[in-house]
Amino acid sequence: DIQMTQSPSSVSASVGDRVTITCRASQGISSWLAWYQQKPGKAPKLLIYAASSLQSGVPSRFSGSGSGTDFTLTISSLQPEDFATYYCQQANSFPRTFGQGTRVEIK
Amino acid sequence: QLQLQKSGPGLVKPSETLSLTCTVSGASISSSTYYWGWIRQPPGKGLEWIGTIYYSGSTYYNPSLKSRVTISVDTSNNQFSLNLSSVTAADTAVYYCARRGSGGRVFDYWGQGTLVTVSS
Repeated sequence: DIQMTQSPSSVSASVGDRVTITCRASQGISSWLAWYQQKPGKAPKLLIYAASSLQSGVPSRFSGSGSGTDFTLTISSLQPEDFATYYCQQANSFPRTFGQGTRVEIK
Repeated sequence: QLQLQKSGPGLVKPSETLSLTCTVSGASISSSTYYWGWIRQPPGKGLEWIGTIYYSGSTYYNPSLKSRVTISVDTSNNQFSLNLSSVTAADTAVYYCARRGSGGRVFDYWGQGTLVTVSS
């Protein structure tokens, strides 16, 4: 199985801050990576697919980059509605695996 | 608008079989574009992929659950189902059904989660 490791596990930030979350795969996954946002009690929401493609309807302050084993999700200017937990997921091979999550908290 | 509506019990006894059905509306489950999947999340923990099915019946399972999992599709009723046998407390989780879209092999629409508790 491909292990997905996110860092940090949590981050405290203020509205307007730039936030960066990283995800590392235990082996190369090309660009087969997605990012999801999950708020308490809600289903995950797809933000980014294919490492850097923005899902329809997702604000442009979200961006993704990377390929191979190292990936980044960036929120350029944190908004109040962005406080949530973020997960990466590899789609290169089965079984599909997720990172452990990064919680973005209010500073 | 796509909707994924789950049905099934919220409480299952240990050693029994957990059964959930996801009914799709707003899209045809027989579309060649999409796959359909199940993901779960134990309380307070991360996401675990259970398996994915195509309308033809082709399935892909998580090896960690493969001996206990069956995912099936019913195209006439536009729904797909999950059976997980011999459950234990470790199977207590919020279960999600989702659609795998055409871009990036990822889940682009998720149904609302259902907490399934395994307890006697």
